[in-house]
Amino acid sequence: DSGVTQTPKHLITATGQRVTLRCSPRSGDLSVYWYQQSLDQGLQFLIQYYNGEERAKGNILERFSAQQFPDLHSELNLSSLELGDSALYFCASSVGGANEKLFFGSGTQLSVL
Amino acid sequence: LAKTTQPISMDSYEGQEVNITCSHNNIATNDYITWYQQFPSQGPRFIIQGYKTKVTNEVASLFIPADRKSSTLSLPRVSLSDTAVYYCLVVVDNDMRFGAGTRLTVKP
Repeated sequence: DSGVTQTPKHLITATGQRVTLRCSPRSGDLSVYWYQQSLDQGLQFLIQYYNGEERAKGNILERFSAQQFPDLHSELNLSSLELGDSALYFCASSVGGANEKLFFGSGTQLSVL
Repeated sequence: LAKTTQPISMDSYEGQEVNITCSHNNIATNDYITWYQQFPSQGPRFIIQGYKTKVTNEVASLFIPADRKSSTLSLPRVSLSDTAVYYCLVVVDNDMRFGAGTRLTVKP
């Protein structure tokens, strides 16, 4: 158990819909990272937050947005969903800086039908 | 931006030592090299991290030459359960992108 909690574990929705994925980092970790992994694809970095502020942005689509709340949990919002958004979405956390160990959650499997 | 290059796949047999090399030509002075292991449908798991020379823990060793432009993850005496994808990660300027990883298959 990494200590990172992601909910829900599975999500099935339709094209055009909007969903919210939630992540609770390990106790004491200030940084949260979001990754997308499609079937047989590598890990695509989406975005990083540190103590409530956006720190780094990767290949995140304009239809996607994220935030980190004062209690340090984070939410990833996906809107106008397309079939191609079906993927495993992972959240990771670290104490602070990017050179630290990342602890990954077990992911949210999103299926867009 | 950070870019790492690893072999796409490797095969091995139980009990053998496996070495996976990662190239990271644009590594900066303060950057660490971190390796992760990922099983299907699970989040990656930290294996080992190093800055220079050699680091060893209970599951692996990491060898880093003096120029730090590459690193080698060494897994001693692999078992079937070591079949997974292995990623090396070098973070430059907060670029958290992973490379494609190496798919290791351990055969009986």
